[in-house]
Amino acid sequence: EAGVAQSPRYKIIEKRQSVAFWCNPISGHATLYWYQQILGQGPKLLIQFQNNGVVDDSQLPKDRFSAERLKGVDSTLKIQPAKLEDSAVYLCASSLVVGFQETQYFGPGTRLLVL
Amino acid sequence: GENVEQHPSTLSVQEGDSAVIKCTYSDSASNYFPWYKQELGKRPQLIIDIRSNVGEKKDQRIAVTLNKTAKHFSLHITETQPEDSAVYFCAAFIQGYIPTFGRGTSLIVHP
Repeated sequence: EAGVAQSPRYKIIEKRQSVAFWCNPISGHATLYWYQQILGQGPKLLIQFQNNGVVDDSQLPKDRFSAERLKGVDSTLKIQPAKLEDSAVYLCASSLVVGFQETQYFGPGTRLLVL
Repeated sequence: GENVEQHPSTLSVQEGDSAVIKCTYSDSASNYFPWYKQELGKRPQLIIDIRSNVGEKKDQRIAVTLNKTAKHFSLHITETQPEDSAVYFCAAFIQGYIPTFGRGTSLIVHP
């Protein structure tokens, strides 16, 4: 079974530039999560989708971050404009939805450095 | 929202010793508690999980206990090996589907 795919793996940008990350979940997984993991901290949930609907985005900085999952499969996360404090690893994860309490599978992450 | 506290932040043990990492949570609606292992530069991987209708779960050298009354859960690793060295994260899922992670514990197992 193929895992969660993310691209790019690394990105370096200057502050105030824009950046987009892409995630392809495991086939058949209805739930998709985007996390921000700052060095030395645990993953922080930014947004959670079930199919193409948003379940939770309470911690997404909506003035600069946006995410979509138009066809209920792939997802993109965008930052515009980027700030220095956005430097982090952005992790995508997916899970089946057969009831809740389902195991999450993480992608390899995108490492973002904002200069 | 949920708040998850994880202790200790760093744990150093000798090979063969046991290691215990503890997490507390605040929201009584949390009912799913997974533990993840993250090696340097790699993705978090699930090592064990427990649901709120169970008090203890074991998988070979790893066990997790849950005390719903006190709102805490713990990871126990016995007979530690150098390859157990990594950062371990606990998480609590509100109503089973909205996750909050702890800050992580760096476990170092000395040969």
